[in-house]
Amino acid sequence: DTAVSQTPKYLVTQMGNDKSIKCEQNLGHDTMYWYKQDSKKFLKIMFSYNNKELIINETVPNRFSPKSPDKAHLNLHINSLELGDSAVYFCASSSKPGVTQYFGPGTRLTVL
Amino acid sequence: AQSVTQLDSQVPVFEEAPVELRCNYSSSVSVYLFWYVQYPNQGLQLLLKYLSGSTLVESINGFEAEFNKSQTSFHLRKPSVHISDTAEYFCAVSLFNTGNQFYFGTGTSLTVIP
Repeated sequence: DTAVSQTPKYLVTQMGNDKSIKCEQNLGHDTMYWYKQDSKKFLKIMFSYNNKELIINETVPNRFSPKSPDKAHLNLHINSLELGDSAVYFCASSSKPGVTQYFGPGTRLTVL
Repeated sequence: AQSVTQLDSQVPVFEEAPVELRCNYSSSVSVYLFWYVQYPNQGLQLLLKYLSGSTLVESINGFEAEFNKSQTSFHLRKPSVHISDTAEYFCAVSLFNTGNQFYFGTGTSLTVIP
């Protein structure tokens, strides 16, 4: 069983479109995260939810909106996609903030 | 302020040679320390971690790291690398005074040369 899963694995879209990436974890964790990894492999945290509440919201354009329908899911919706949004997006989870994080396989977003 | 520094962005090393990947952190409070590995086109996987107790921690594939509080370091070492160790390695720290937020380093690309 996959611990942290993301869909889709690849996403190619045009500028200006709206898209969503889904994340699910079956580890029973309370905390989930979204990271953006750019072409230089830099890993930047975007959001973190703990028990469905937003606890970290880094400087991210408000075109990005996370949604946590329950503790096992943290989806990322992106409006009006721009070329600079092209990156690999990783979802992760942990039992509580600050302890070992488990990562999903990533979603490679390409904006044309 | 940068909490985690990985000074070496790229480290080429010959197969069966030893390697050290450096990681320094800045914190005046207690920390948890982690090393993650990212193989090509994959997500990050936990390699090893220091939470408390023995300052020397080991992974199942021969890597080890030592927590040095006085030097605020957590360098990763392996005495003999394999081709399969080629990957991106990330150091991370969790600081107790920031709501346990994680900070990742900028990564070190390890390339093992046959």
